[in-house]
Amino acid sequence: DAKTTQPNSMESNEEEPVHLPCNHSTISGTDYIHWYRQLPSQGPEYVIHGLTSNVNNRMASLAIAEDRKSSTLILHRATLRDAAVYYCILRGFMDSNYQLIWGAGTKLIIKP
Amino acid sequence: EAGVVQSPRYKIIEKKQPVAFWCNPISGHNTLYWYRQNLGQGPELLIRYENEEAVDDSQLPKDRFSAERLKGVDSTLKIQPAELGDSAVYLCASSYSGTVKNIQYFGAGTRLSVL
Repeated sequence: DAKTTQPNSMESNEEEPVHLPCNHSTISGTDYIHWYRQLPSQGPEYVIHGLTSNVNNRMASLAIAEDRKSSTLILHRATLRDAAVYYCILRGFMDSNYQLIWGAGTKLIIKP
Repeated sequence: EAGVVQSPRYKIIEKKQPVAFWCNPISGHNTLYWYRQNLGQGPELLIRYENEEAVDDSQLPKDRFSAERLKGVDSTLKIQPAELGDSAVYLCASSYSGTVKNIQYFGAGTRLSVL
């Protein structure tokens, strides 16, 4: 199974952009890159996903390297409410169903 | 629209006691997942249901864990007997597998402490 590698933690100042990196050097051609985040004492929530092209939504942007071996989640203007653990996940195709292969996550600390 | 509902939020039991967790998924979601999350780690899949059928239970410790999903809606996860190492957060998630996205929606989890 393809795995992801993320920094254990990152710090950023409030109202500044945040770039969260993820390495997935063994990604296969059919793996989607998903990002979820988990706020304290809550279950994970979906943030964004992509396959090859960069993606934008109201929460964040996802930049995917041309060789797909790495990606970066971009929070354009971090707020205190963005403090969470961010998971970079590969969605593999197994037995005709899609599984999420979770990494260890990056704990994002936002400083006021 | 209501999200995934789990109960209880917290449970404290003594080892060797039984415990059960309940999950009500989002209406219309045919896929239901139970995960276990240890402190400082990502969720670990225990079992996945497609409607009423458990299609992946390879990570479920079947000697003490059991699960059911009645009528393809609500689900219950049971541990009997509980061990100290079962202390963790148990998360339920649901999704609609009919789309390519297959986004999983999670409940708030049940935090289990085994003493």
